[in-house]
Amino acid sequence: SQQGEEDPQALSIQEGENATMNCSYKTSINNLQWYRQNSGRGLVHLILIRSNEREKHSGRLRVTLDTSKKSSSLLITASRAADTASYFCATDSNYQLIWGAGTKLIIKP
Amino acid sequence: DAGITQSPRHKVTETGTPVTLRCHQTENHRYMYWYRQDPGHGLRLIHYSYGVKDTDKGEVSDGYSVSRSKTEDFLLTLESATSSQTSVYFCAISESAENTEAFFGQGTRLTVV
Repeated sequence: SQQGEEDPQALSIQEGENATMNCSYKTSINNLQWYRQNSGRGLVHLILIRSNEREKHSGRLRVTLDTSKKSSSLLITASRAADTASYFCATDSNYQLIWGAGTKLIIKP
Repeated sequence: DAGITQSPRHKVTETGTPVTLRCHQTENHRYMYWYRQDPGHGLRLIHYSYGVKDTDKGEVSDGYSVSRSKTEDFLLTLESATSSQTSVYFCAISESAENTEAFFGQGTRLTVV
């Protein structure tokens, strides 16, 4: 069963614009993680936010977590062509990571 | 990049044949995972291991078995491959089960014809 569900499924923006992706989940969590997957490659960890945190930053990435709404958002500021990838959220449940289906982000030059 | 190697990277096999995929790590991480990735489903956990000879089933374990005889190696076996097992398979490792990131291999694209 899918715990996290990303929204939108696909997003296409101009280079330099900000990109926002959302993730909703169903059960209580210890943490929520965001990963990036370039085409044909494995997933790469971007950021982990714990359930007692509300916001976290890493470079051009900003993640928020609202446990009351069971949702998280990933903001990528000043997007670049290299940000073109699929982005996945994952939540931990019973010592396993449960994954959403991902958001496909395309940055147009 | 974390030291994770999956082999083979690509494989085409016939229905009914056994297939073994290998994941090798050089990070000495305790936890190892096998996922499959299919369009529209994200990643789904097949089996995972929390130590040598310690394994457990994931969400989609039917038709798959695993073995971990050494810390660094985690094998995924399809005893009798079916077309529904055509997928991209990813191995991942992590230091612990909670609050740590997972590191992924490059994936194995398996086609069952």
